[in-house]
Amino acid sequence: GENVEQHPSTLSVQEGDSAVIKCTYSDSASNYFPWYKQELGKGPQLIIDIRSNVGEKKDQRIAVTLNKTAKHFSLHITETQPEDSAVYFCAAKTGTASKLTFGTGTRLQVTL
Amino acid sequence: GAGVSQSPSNKVTEKGKDVELRCDPISGHTALYWYRQSLGQGLEFLIYFQGNSAPDKSGLPSDRFSAERTGGSVSTLTIQRTQQEDSAVYLCASSFVEDQPQHFGDGTRLSIL
Repeated sequence: GENVEQHPSTLSVQEGDSAVIKCTYSDSASNYFPWYKQELGKGPQLIIDIRSNVGEKKDQRIAVTLNKTAKHFSLHITETQPEDSAVYFCAAKTGTASKLTFGTGTRLQVTL
Repeated sequence: GAGVSQSPSNKVTEKGKDVELRCDPISGHTALYWYRQSLGQGLEFLIYFQGNSAPDKSGLPSDRFSAERTGGSVSTLTIQRTQQEDSAVYLCASSFVEDQPQHFGDGTRLSIL
């Protein structure tokens, strides 16, 4: 089955700096890659997603890049703000499976 | 409702008791998913519903776990004879159809004493 690895497990950046979180996946049939933000006591919130026919997608300060050859994808957050502090999860899904397979999460802390 | 609604938000029960967790998906969403999140861990898939049918039950950890969905809407996850290792946050998600983005509720935090 699919396996998703996520790095780093924790990340601390100063406000205004950029943050990058990386994930690798094992199943070359995976074709959908969402990113979720989870705040304490809340459920995961979808922040951006990308499909395998696209190499990059941006939404304001957030971008995701996908390298199908290397089977990795990354989340980029620019101009970080304290409210970006949360746990971020990457996930992957194949076309034949209904489920998302998640990485183990990255705890991002944005310091003033 | 505006989002996925789960109840109760917290449940504490004794080992050996049965529990029922409820999920009310976003209106009009035909696909519904249950995941489990253990302390400090990622999310683990349990079961997927399309309408009232469950074509993928591959994540249910044992026969103590079951789920149903009625009227293509509300779903109930039942855990029988609870064990301490069942302690986790149980998350429900829904999507318009199977290939569309999944949106999560805030989960039920289950604690087994």
